[in-house]
Amino acid sequence: TQLLEQSPQFLSIQEGENLTVYCNSSSVFSSLQWYRQEPGEGPVLLVTVVTGGEVKKLKRLTFQFGDARKDSSLHITAAQPGDTGLYLCADSGGTSYGKLTFGQGTILTVHP
Amino acid sequence: KAGVTQTPRYLIKTRGQQVTLSCSPISGHRSVSWYQQTPGQGLQFLFEYFSETQRNKGNFPGRFSGRQFSNSRSEMNVSTLELGDSALYLCASSWTTSGGAETQYFGPGTRLLVL
Repeated sequence: TQLLEQSPQFLSIQEGENLTVYCNSSSVFSSLQWYRQEPGEGPVLLVTVVTGGEVKKLKRLTFQFGDARKDSSLHITAAQPGDTGLYLCADSGGTSYGKLTFGQGTILTVHP
Repeated sequence: KAGVTQTPRYLIKTRGQQVTLSCSPISGHRSVSWYQQTPGQGLQFLFEYFSETQRNKGNFPGRFSGRQFSNSRSEMNVSTLELGDSALYLCASSWTTSGGAETQYFGPGTRLLVL
């Protein structure tokens, strides 16, 4: 059974600071997805990475996928209060129909 | 395009009762997956339906069941509720016709409280 570990569990920072959250898998990712979930809502997909070593940028968010495809990081530059939420990494599990395996998530709070 | 909708949004039940939750996928999506989210266990996969057939199932007891209708709407049922079933139940829809990294679009969830 694949296990995804995310760190840190909680992160509380001031607006304008930079931060990095991590996701490590017990086995090679089929494809890695990062989601953000806000209170009272379902998770929303931020990015999908498939290739080892891949780097994707989404405005102030930078996603890196490890060469061995077993780890990933999400870096946020100049965090804003609107970045507050639960950040989840997930693996699609290859051919496993409709199943995403999620990490426990990182709860990010950005204070104005 | 309307997103995934779930009804009801909130529900309070007592132990031993049963509950039915509903999910309407994005128009044109034929795959619906269900997840349970709790503070202790995080997001866990319950099952997936495509064209009225369950194609995948997670490690949950038989008290958890689901079905999908010809219009792709899906329901999940939990019988003989236990306190530990208190959770946010999320459904997600996608285009996928095969396994893989298809994007799943999540609904806002149904928050179930079992007393």
